[in-house]
Amino acid sequence: DSGVTQTPKHLITATGQRVTLRCSPRSGDLSVYWYQQSLDQGLQFLIQYYNGEERAKGNILERFSAQQFPDLHSELNLSSLELGDSALYFCASSVDGGFDEAFFGQGTRLTVV
Amino acid sequence: AQSVTQLGSHVSVSEGALVLLRCNYSSSVPPYLFWYVQYPNQGLQLLLKYTTGATLVKGINGFEAEFKKSETSFHLTKPSAHMSDAAEYFCAVSPRSGSARQLTFGSGTQLTVLP
Repeated sequence: DSGVTQTPKHLITATGQRVTLRCSPRSGDLSVYWYQQSLDQGLQFLIQYYNGEERAKGNILERFSAQQFPDLHSELNLSSLELGDSALYFCASSVDGGFDEAFFGQGTRLTVV
Repeated sequence: AQSVTQLGSHVSVSEGALVLLRCNYSSSVPPYLFWYVQYPNQGLQLLLKYTTGATLVKGINGFEAEFKKSETSFHLTKPSAHMSDAAEYFCAVSPRSGSARQLTFGSGTQLTVLP
């Protein structure tokens, strides 16, 4: 167990809908990363938060947004969902924003039908 | 910008044989280097990492990797494959400094272990 908790584990929803994925980092970790894993794109970095503030943005669509709350948990919001958004979404956390000591959650598998 | 190339999207070895998974990176300065393993329907587990110091890094489950700066490589090896090693393996890099040190992943290598 990495200590990073993601909920829900599985999510099935229809096109056009909106969903929220949740990530609780390891105790003491200030930084949260979101990644998307799909068959055609591989593992893509979406966005990073550090202590509540956005630190870096990757290949995140405008339909997607995220935030990190004062208790350091993070949520990834996906709206106007398309079939192509079906993927495994991972959260990772680290103490200081670097990956020399970072841990991944088990992921949320999103299926858009 | 950093990038990672994993040669061979699928590798098959016999049980007990040497495992060699190849990874080359492109970066203006040597980055931090990582290997992760992903079992079916699981998350990513860190196998090993190179940040500084000795270039031969030992990880979990008998895996090791050697950082070769001159070859910009970080190949993963295991002397004797076990059936339980069957999984997908990802090489990744991260900048050593800066405010945005996210991982950049390779496309992955699916390892099959044959009985």
